[in-house]
Amino acid sequence: DGGITQSPKYLFRKEGQNVTLSCEQNLNHDAMYWYRQDPGQGLRLIYYSQIVNDFQKGDIAEGYSVSREKKESFPLTVTSAQKNPTAFYLCASSPTYNEQFFGPGTRLTVL
Amino acid sequence: GNSVTQMEGPVTLSEEAFLTINCTYTATGYPSLFWYVQYPGEGLQLLLKATKADDKGSNKGFEATYRKETTSFHLEKGSVQVSDSAVYFCALSVYTGNQFYFGTGTSLTVIP
Repeated sequence: DGGITQSPKYLFRKEGQNVTLSCEQNLNHDAMYWYRQDPGQGLRLIYYSQIVNDFQKGDIAEGYSVSREKKESFPLTVTSAQKNPTAFYLCASSPTYNEQFFGPGTRLTVL
Repeated sequence: GNSVTQMEGPVTLSEEAFLTINCTYTATGYPSLFWYVQYPGEGLQLLLKATKADDKGSNKGFEATYRKETTSFHLEKGSVQVSDSAVYFCALSVYTGNQFYFGTGTSLTVIP
C-alpha cells in the first residue's frame, strides 16, 4: 500500500537531548513537509523540501533541522535548542501543486 | 499575501442537524482549495477539494463550493452523525513555492 509512515508514534525526550523523527513516503512525491501542532491549535510549518538535497525553512524552523538525501525520506531532528518541543508532529508529502497527504503523526513529550 | 480564515469553534450539534463551517481566503493568483479532517490522535485526511472557481467538491455527504466572488469555501453537510466529530481544516495551495496555507481548525462535536 502506498502512503506515508512516521515513527515512532510516541517519543519521550529528556531535556538537552536531540531526537530524530522519521518520515518515509512511497508515493513518489517530490515535495515533503513538517508541521508542528499544539493542543487546540492549527498547523505551523517547520521545514519543507521540494526536491532532493534542497529544503527551506518554514515559519518556526528555529531549534529544528532536516535533511533530504533521498526522495522517500525527510527526517526531522528536534535539537536541544528548541525550548518547548512537546507537541504533535505531522509529516506530509505532495505531488507538485496538488493536495498534501499526511502521515499519522508523532507525539513528542519532553520529560 | 495568502491566508485562510475559518470559523472559530468549538461547534456542538445534535445528530442529524445541518452543518456549516465557514472558510474565507486571501490569495494571489488562482488557488486550489481543500477541506481536511483530523480525528483525535491522527494525521489529517483530505475530505474534499476544488481547483477552480465554481467547482464543487463533495465526499461522504460533505460539500463545499469554490466561490471566487466572495473568496469563500464553506463546508456543509445536511445531516451530521456522531462519527463526524473531528477537527476540520480549510486550506489553500498556490503555485508559487508549492506551499499550503491552513486555517486554525474548527472542532466539531456531534451528540446523539
